[in-house]
Amino acid sequence: NAGVTQTPKFRVLKTGQSMTLLCAQDMNHEYMYWYRQDPGMGLRLIHYSVGEGTTAKGEVPDGYNVSRLKKQNFLLGLESAAPSQTSVYFCASKDRGVTDTQYFGPGTRLTVL
Amino acid sequence: AQSVTQLGSHVSVSEGALVLLRCNYSSSVPPYLFWYVQYPNQGLQLLLKYTTGATLVKGINGFEAEFKKSETSFHLTKPSAHMSDAAEYFCAVSSGGYQKVTFGTGTKLQVIP
Repeated sequence: NAGVTQTPKFRVLKTGQSMTLLCAQDMNHEYMYWYRQDPGMGLRLIHYSVGEGTTAKGEVPDGYNVSRLKKQNFLLGLESAAPSQTSVYFCASKDRGVTDTQYFGPGTRLTVL
Repeated sequence: AQSVTQLGSHVSVSEGALVLLRCNYSSSVPPYLFWYVQYPNQGLQLLLKYTTGATLVKGINGFEAEFKKSETSFHLTKPSAHMSDAAEYFCAVSSGGYQKVTFGTGTKLQVIP
């Protein structure tokens, strides 16, 4: 099993450009999450999904959109990138059990100039 | 609402010394508690978790943590630090529902030879 994979690993954007980050998991997990990690702030939840076709907002959703058209994929979109979105983005997935563990991808380092 | 406080953003220990990383939580329901480790340029990896039952939880790489309800704490310890333990450690809490996980701001552990 590959676990949770993320593409791309690195990206540099100019302000106003758009992009999509792809997260894929091969563990048949129901729940998927997008976090951003900034120095001194830990991980903050952007959006999450509790199943195929469903998405919901997390703590810091502004400026991002997501889609979960297939159970194994969770896409994070930036329609008009801003320097404040420079961050490391992590995707995670977990199964439905209350005590199940979140599994994380390796991250995408995004710089917005 | 749930929250996590990690005391000390940076901790330095000598190789072979005791490692103690502090975590206090707040939760309105019985919590599930986690410690994750992040090595440079990698995603988060689960070290250990507390769900129910025994309050002393053993994890990977010789780490353990004790759930103390009266102190709302879940401190991480390791008897003898190794150079390979140098990483950032995150405490996290979950209270059920869609199992939203709230992360602390992280503690960077430096191990001095």
